Amino acid sequence: DARVTQTPRHKVTEMGQEVTMRCQPILGHNTVFWYRQTMMQGLELLAYFRNRAPLDDSGMPKDRFSAEMPDATLATLKIQPSEPRDSAVYFCASGLGQGYEKLFFGSGTQLSVL
Amino acid sequence: DAKTTQPTSMDCAEGRAANLPCNHSTISGNEYVYWYRQIHSQGPQYIIHGLKNNETNEMASLIITEDRKSSTLILPHATLRDTAVYYCIVSRAGGTSYGKLTFGQGTILTVHP
Repeated sequence: DARVTQTPRHKVTEMGQEVTMRCQPILGHNTVFWYRQTMMQGLELLAYFRNRAPLDDSGMPKDRFSAEMPDATLATLKIQPSEPRDSAVYFCASGLGQGYEKLFFGSGTQLSVL
Repeated sequence: DAKTTQPTSMDCAEGRAANLPCNHSTISGNEYVYWYRQIHSQGPQYIIHGLKNNETNEMASLIITEDRKSSTLILPHATLRDTAVYYCIVSRAGGTSYGKLTFGQGTILTVHP
């Protein structure tokens, strides 16, 4: 079955370090979403792309987070510098962009910032 | 997008139907109702969506009231593997923001043996 692939699955880092999370959307999907999940806030939308163009990144702290799609097969989410409050599970999802959204989610990156 | 209201938690016996309600009284005409679920430690999984008509697929049925202000997700024969958090989401179709899904707190469904 086609699936969204996220790497790494787990990441432990120290405060101040740069963190890069990667996502390979399902081939042929033209929308990509980044979500963050914590116990307190639940699932929050950070950013999303359509045809590799960023459509909305209003949910993302601009000073330290950046999201890009260098090509159609790769989406990246970077945090620099990382802070303990960034500890969360980060999910990537992709969809066909058909006017309604059946999103396929990856398994997530569990990030711990010490 | 319209706000949704769901019960915090529900229980269901294995083999019985699980009926999960969702209220979306401020839904507008061009907004879909989506249901996703999240099994522990996994990413959310799409279940079903609908606009006006009732829908059924291999996973579940979606019943939308005629005024579209509420809906019910039905899992016809719940199994232990259906224990998860179920999210009801309303999101517009078309336009520049379509597909932007805002997840609430959802309903924790526990299926008992």
